[in-house]
Amino acid sequence: KAGVTQTPRYLIKTRGQQVTLSCSPISGHRSVSWYQQTPGQGLQFLFEYFSETQRNKGNFPGRFSGRQFSNSRSEMNVSTLELGDSALYLCASTLSPGPLNEQFFGPGTRLTVL
Amino acid sequence: QKEVEQNSGPLSVPEGAIASLNCTYSDRGSQSFFWYRQYSGKSPELIMSIYSNGDKEDGRFTAQLNKASQYVSLLIRDSQPSDSATYLCAVFYPGTGFQKLVFGTGTRLLVSP
Repeated sequence: KAGVTQTPRYLIKTRGQQVTLSCSPISGHRSVSWYQQTPGQGLQFLFEYFSETQRNKGNFPGRFSGRQFSNSRSEMNVSTLELGDSALYLCASTLSPGPLNEQFFGPGTRLTVL
Repeated sequence: QKEVEQNSGPLSVPEGAIASLNCTYSDRGSQSFFWYRQYSGKSPELIMSIYSNGDKEDGRFTAQLNKASQYVSLLIRDSQPSDSATYLCAVFYPGTGFQKLVFGTGTRLLVSP
């Protein structure tokens, strides 16, 4: 069974630009969560999508947004990039939301903002 | 108080020894607990999940949960140099209307040959 895939793997952008990251969950998984990982803050929850609906959102500014498609694939968008947005962006998939379902991570997209 | 706390380490153990990694959490209502391993430059990989008090064993790994003490641990027996990584504790936070998986900042484990 194929794992979670994320594209692109690496991105370099400049301040003020916007970026779109993509995530394809494990086949059969319908819930996708996004995380930002930085050396200083660790893994921070961005948002969770299930059945094309955003269920939860972390404490990030409105520049961070996402969506989910009917095939469970998800995208996240960051507008007006800032230097502090440089991070590893991770997507995790699970069968459905809830405490008992394990989340499996993709390889991540490393975003560098210059 | 942080929601999930881990000692950042590094925790250094010799090859063949038992490595003990600890995690405490703040929400008594938390129901599920996970350990992830993350190698440098890679994404987190799920090692163990545990939902009820006591021990859960999987190969060289044993997860221990004590809900009364709000404490989760991971034991790695017969540690190998390939176990050198950062270990992340994650706790499912059952907030009303807002549920999420909360991660600790991780403990770096170094296993020396």
